[in-house]
Amino acid sequence: AQRVTQPEKLLSVFKGAPVELKCNYSYSGSPELFWYVQYSRQRLQLLLRHISRESIKGFTADLNKGETSFHLKKPFAQEEDSAMYYCALSGVTSGSRLTFGEGTQLTVNP
Amino acid sequence: NAGVTQTPKFQVLKTGQSMTLQCAQDMNHNSMYWYRQDPGMGLRLIYYSASEGTTDKGEVPNGYNVSRLNKREFSLRLESAAPSQTSVYFCASSGLDRGTGANVLTFGAGSRLTVL
Repeated sequence: AQRVTQPEKLLSVFKGAPVELKCNYSYSGSPELFWYVQYSRQRLQLLLRHISRESIKGFTADLNKGETSFHLKKPFAQEEDSAMYYCALSGVTSGSRLTFGEGTQLTVNP
Repeated sequence: NAGVTQTPKFQVLKTGQSMTLQCAQDMNHNSMYWYRQDPGMGLRLIYYSASEGTTDKGEVPNGYNVSRLNKREFSLRLESAAPSQTSVYFCASSGLDRGTGANVLTFGAGSRLTVL
């Protein structure tokens, strides 16, 4: 079975501070990992995916297969980064279905 | 280009009442999904449809039924609503990103359902 765990329900940092949102997964195989974000009063949207190895809005995430983690990082948090962040996984056995973590509510204080 | 459209945005039901949430996408995606979002539990898959004419149970299908009416539309029905079904419901569709080959979900705006 595949599972995604986000250990922090709430995370609060000050503007300009580094931020790391943790994501751990269990999957027997090679997963595809994603981060989705939901800003206040907006719909869920894709932030980034590991396969693209991209940086979006200053965020990066590296897939660590040894630690089965896909933590989301940003060196200098901005107030507009305040949102709910979901880590998600899909695999060969699940086809196009995504399994989501519990979500982390990030608040960036001025 | 509307993406994924779901209706209604808000609904209040009494226990035992029935209702249908409608979802339509205009991206020619094969796969469609219904998720529910609850605090501290993330998004949980209720049902999905890998292609027109097929539907499968997800993680929490009890109390729900779905219909994939055609490629565009995927509806979710609550036959006899219960307070435990109070939640925010999201419809999504997915298609392959041609550049990366990754399957990317596009979500609707959500439907907030309260069952009294």
